[in-house]
Amino acid sequence: GQQVMQIPQYQHVQEGEDFTTYCNSSTTLSNIQWYKQRPGGHPVFLIQLVKSGEVKKQKRLTFQFGEAKKNSSLHITATQTTDVGTYFCAGAMNRDDKIIFGKGTRLHILP
Amino acid sequence: SAVISQKPSRDICQRGTSLTIQCQVDSQVTMMFWYRQQPGQSLTLIATANQGSEATYESGFVIDKFPISRPNLTFSTLTVSNMSPEDSSIYLCSVENSNYEQYFGPGTRLTVT
Repeated sequence: GQQVMQIPQYQHVQEGEDFTTYCNSSTTLSNIQWYKQRPGGHPVFLIQLVKSGEVKKQKRLTFQFGEAKKNSSLHITATQTTDVGTYFCAGAMNRDDKIIFGKGTRLHILP
Repeated sequence: SAVISQKPSRDICQRGTSLTIQCQVDSQVTMMFWYRQQPGQSLTLIATANQGSEATYESGFVIDKFPISRPNLTFSTLTVSNMSPEDSSIYLCSVENSNYEQYFGPGTRLTVT
C-alpha cells in the first residue's frame, strides 16, 4: 500500500540555523500537505502542494513538491524557538483518496 | 477554517468501561474523520464519520470497538468501548474542506488504568 516516509525523525538545531525535512512516497502523489504540531497541541494545516515542481513560501518556510510528485521538502530559514514542534507531511494518490500521514520530523531548537 | 471543539479534553478511565468523545464543528462539513495518535507518534485514521450512514472504518478498527455516530453535519461522537490500557492515546477529530485541507480538533487525551 501507499507509504509516506519522512526523514529525519528528529532534528536538533541551534536557533538561527536552517532546517529541512524531507518526505518521500513509494507512489506518485496527487497532492501533498504539510502540518505542524506544537508540543501538547494538535496538528495545524500549513500548506498544500498539487503541481509538479511547485514551490510555495510562507515567510521563513519554503515548501517544494518534486517534479515526479513523489517527494516534498519543507525548509525553514533561520529557525526560531517558535518553530519547535513536529512537522508532518501527508499525501494522497488520488485527489479523493484519504491522505496518509508520514511519521513526522520532530524539531528541537537549542537556544 | 472551521472551529472544532472536543469533549472531554482528557479522561482517566478504568479498563472494561467505555468513553464517548464528542466533536462539534461551528459550520456544516461533509467530511469528518477520527484519528488516534500515540504520544510522539504519527496520526492513524480510525474511520470516516458519514452523516446519515454507518462510518467507514480503516483496517484494524471495527465498529464494535469504536462505534461512531454522525447525526448531522456539525457533530459526531466516537465511543471507545471495553477499554484496555492499549487504548490509552490521544483521539482527534478532523474536518476536511472543499480543498481537501484538514482541520483538527484539540484532541481528547485518554488514559486507561
